[in-house]
Amino acid sequence: DTAVSQTPKYLVTQMGNDKSIKCEQNLGHDTMYWYKQDSKKFLKIMFSYNNKELIINETVPNRFSPKSPDKAHLNLHINSLELGDSAVYFCASSLHSTGPYEQYFGPGTRLTVT
Amino acid sequence: SQQGEEDPQALSIQEGENATMNCSYKTSINNLQWYRQNSGRGLVHLILIRSNEREKHSGRLRVTLDTSKKSSSLLITASRAADTASYFCALTSQGGSEKLVFGKGTKLTVNP
Repeated sequence: DTAVSQTPKYLVTQMGNDKSIKCEQNLGHDTMYWYKQDSKKFLKIMFSYNNKELIINETVPNRFSPKSPDKAHLNLHINSLELGDSAVYFCASSLHSTGPYEQYFGPGTRLTVT
Repeated sequence: SQQGEEDPQALSIQEGENATMNCSYKTSINNLQWYRQNSGRGLVHLILIRSNEREKHSGRLRVTLDTSKKSSSLLITASRAADTASYFCALTSQGGSEKLVFGKGTKLTVNP
């Protein structure tokens, strides 16, 4: 059984469109994260939720809006997509937010904006 | 928040050889973790080492931490072709938030 799953795996869309990426974890973890990995493999945290509450909100354009309907799910909605949003987006989870705890990553969603 | 700097950026070795990757940082840390990323996949956690620990082992992996030099190293012994991947250090800073900050990674190629 997949621990952290994301859908879709690939997303190709045009500039200006709105899209969503979904993430689910079946590990019973309290904390979930969204990361963005650019073309140079640099991985940067975007958001973190603990028990549905936003706890980390990095300097991310407000076109990006995360939503956590319950602690097993964390979705990412992106409005008015731009070319620079092209990247691989990873969801991750950890047991708690204060640890230290290892993070479990999903397989990633490769977003291409044309 | 600080980020670890891995060195080298890329490493190519033959199967059976050992691979050593280093991570340096600037300010005090709470803990440091190493992750592996195979091409086109998500990251996989390898080892976590706390600031009061000096060395940890897991199978063929050995991680050391020298807080006086602000550096950590990951040693993979008797490497295999399947070890080909990018390796990232990630750290949480003392006095900062609990967020993990990742370095840019070392790309390891193990040739059969």
